[in-house]
Amino acid sequence: RKEVEQDPGPFNVPEGATVAFNCTYSNSASQSFFWYRQDCRKEPKLLMSVYSSGNEDGRFTAQLNRASQYISLLIRDSKLSDSATYLCVVNNNYQLIWGAGTKLIIKP
Amino acid sequence: GAVVSQHPSWVICKSGTSVKIECRSLDFQATTMFWYRQFPKQSLMLMATSNEGSKATYEQGVEKDKFLINHASLTLSTLTVTSAHPEDSSFYICSASRAGTDLFGPGTRLLVL
Repeated sequence: RKEVEQDPGPFNVPEGATVAFNCTYSNSASQSFFWYRQDCRKEPKLLMSVYSSGNEDGRFTAQLNRASQYISLLIRDSKLSDSATYLCVVNNNYQLIWGAGTKLIIKP
Repeated sequence: GAVVSQHPSWVICKSGTSVKIECRSLDFQATTMFWYRQFPKQSLMLMATSNEGSKATYEQGVEKDKFLINHASLTLSTLTVTSAHPEDSSFYICSASRAGTDLFGPGTRLLVL
């Protein structure tokens, strides 16, 4: 089993819809969690950290479920510009373990 | 499955020394390797792009003579930080890429004293 797993997608979603995807991790001792966004052929950019209590930033909500060992990202009122690959990153002993990414395509 | 590893995971060195970081891809032939640097609480910054068997392309502001990149094979790329200084202390991450698939390494923490 991979340390960090994501559904590669692609998720094809109409503009304005709400979409959510999960990322599972295998190491229960993982310390911190992040969502990155990567546009085609560009470097990943930090979207948000994921806190134990869950956190929201505008249309984006991230949640952590330690019991089931997954994190989630929810995007509300999706926009065309949200089309990208979303990478889940887990910090294990100060090493970053990257998921392979979930591709999201927002359609008009 | 395909994974990317980096070695070493941690490096602590004295100012003026050179440090080599290896990036290896397993079960994945990387036609392109990317090297990134990440400062605390910041996102990744692309340093350079290298294609197997050719010279690396450096981003603006990254000194090619200071950060030597070798991409000798489809599964190995190295980054050498020459004459490291405290301001080079950072988290260095490689990414192996092929046909639109990017796999990221776990990173190497460099601390220059």
